[in-house]
Amino acid sequence: DTGVSQDPRHKITKRGQNVTFRCDPISEHNRLYWYRQTLGQGPEFLTYFQNEAQLEKSRLLSDRFSAERPKGSFSTLEIQRTEQGDSAMYLCASSSNPNTGELFFGEGSRLTVL
Amino acid sequence: ILNVEQSPQSLHVQEGDSTNFTCSFPSSNFYALHWYRWETAKSPEALFVMTLNGDEKKKGRISATLNTKEGYSYLYIKGSQPEDSATYLCAPYSGAGSYQLTFGKGTKLSVIP
Repeated sequence: DTGVSQDPRHKITKRGQNVTFRCDPISEHNRLYWYRQTLGQGPEFLTYFQNEAQLEKSRLLSDRFSAERPKGSFSTLEIQRTEQGDSAMYLCASSSNPNTGELFFGEGSRLTVL
Repeated sequence: ILNVEQSPQSLHVQEGDSTNFTCSFPSSNFYALHWYRWETAKSPEALFVMTLNGDEKKKGRISATLNTKEGYSYLYIKGSQPEDSATYLCAPYSGAGSYQLTFGKGTKLSVIP
């Protein structure tokens, strides 16, 4: 399978713990995106990488959220000191065509904060 | 942040019925309009990327139209089947410099066998 993969698919954690999600994009895609989706809402943009450069991070929800893509391949999204409001589906997507903007999504990582 | 509206929010139809839903978006700075289908426990997948005013695209029983001047797109499903049950998301795209899609809340379609 050469699609976008995300790990873990599900994460249950206690409030105050740190969590990290990993995304492996389609290998030839240089653009990588993180989105968050909560119940009843569409996916909400968080951050974007072009190769290893994080070109937009102002939409990360707070300073507890950070993302990296150290070698321009896989990416991680970390949430520190989780809160119940962080419970959501975290989606990763990759793209290679800036003209169409078409995204290829992973299946998401569902976070539940107790 | 763009204001993207989708209606209805949810829809239940009988197998074999045809249905349609709407996406409205700002017509300024328009470059493309995306439709995605998101089935439960799967990843969202692109259905159509539409760029031209008056464009109509078709994939099997699903088709979409685009009006960029008034800022809306319709998605049609002919003869709905249970496997069409999914959330359908639309997202306008402002071109390479914009780097992000702004999604609507989606229309959740349930097809009853």
